[in-house]
Amino acid sequence: EPEVTQTPSHQVTQMGQEVILRCVPISNHLYFYWYRQILGQKVEFLVSFYNNEISEKSEIFDDQFSVERPDGSNFTLKIRSTKLEDSAMYFCASSEAFNTEAFFGQGTRLTVV
Amino acid sequence: AQSVTQPDIHITVSEGASLELRCNYSYGATPYLFWYVQSPGQGLQLLLKYFSGDTLVQGIKGFEAEFKRSQSSFNLRKPSVHWSDAAEYFCAVAPYGGATNKLIFGTGTLLAVQP
Repeated sequence: EPEVTQTPSHQVTQMGQEVILRCVPISNHLYFYWYRQILGQKVEFLVSFYNNEISEKSEIFDDQFSVERPDGSNFTLKIRSTKLEDSAMYFCASSEAFNTEAFFGQGTRLTVV
Repeated sequence: AQSVTQPDIHITVSEGASLELRCNYSYGATPYLFWYVQSPGQGLQLLLKYFSGDTLVQGIKGFEAEFKRSQSSFNLRKPSVHWSDAAEYFCAVAPYGGATNKLIFGTGTLLAVQP
């Protein structure tokens, strides 16, 4: 069964460092998303991406964040200068169309120290 | 603003007992509704979805959910819980008339199953 895969599963970084979280969406999907879940809190939408551009972003997704689809298979989230409050589980998701269900990856747990 | 409420933070049931997890939403139109499950150390797995049509939807792992427009609810049920069902369950809404590019999640219900 096709699935969304994310790497790494756990990343520890020092405050102020840049991190790149990687995702391989399901191959025939056209819409890609990032969500995050701070420990003990709800899953929150960060950004959606379609046709090589951001289609929507939340207020959380400030200038420190960027997304990219560098090739035909990967979808990345970059945090330029990490802060302690960026520590969270980051989920990548993809969907076939804008109104079909989103399939989520297993998440990357980011710990900023 | 759109919102999703899961009033039960933590529920404990005995194995073999029935289960109902509550979900209420606040949205002007009829949204698309979802239940996801997150097992420890795992990602979010879609259990079932409601887009339109029959208000009782069947999902994977023996789960079902019923959409009740009059109550703005989408409660998840299972007639007999198995120990492997212990996990966190999230209700979610797609608010833009079906556009799933911005799901709004509830805070989750953590299910514990005792022998």
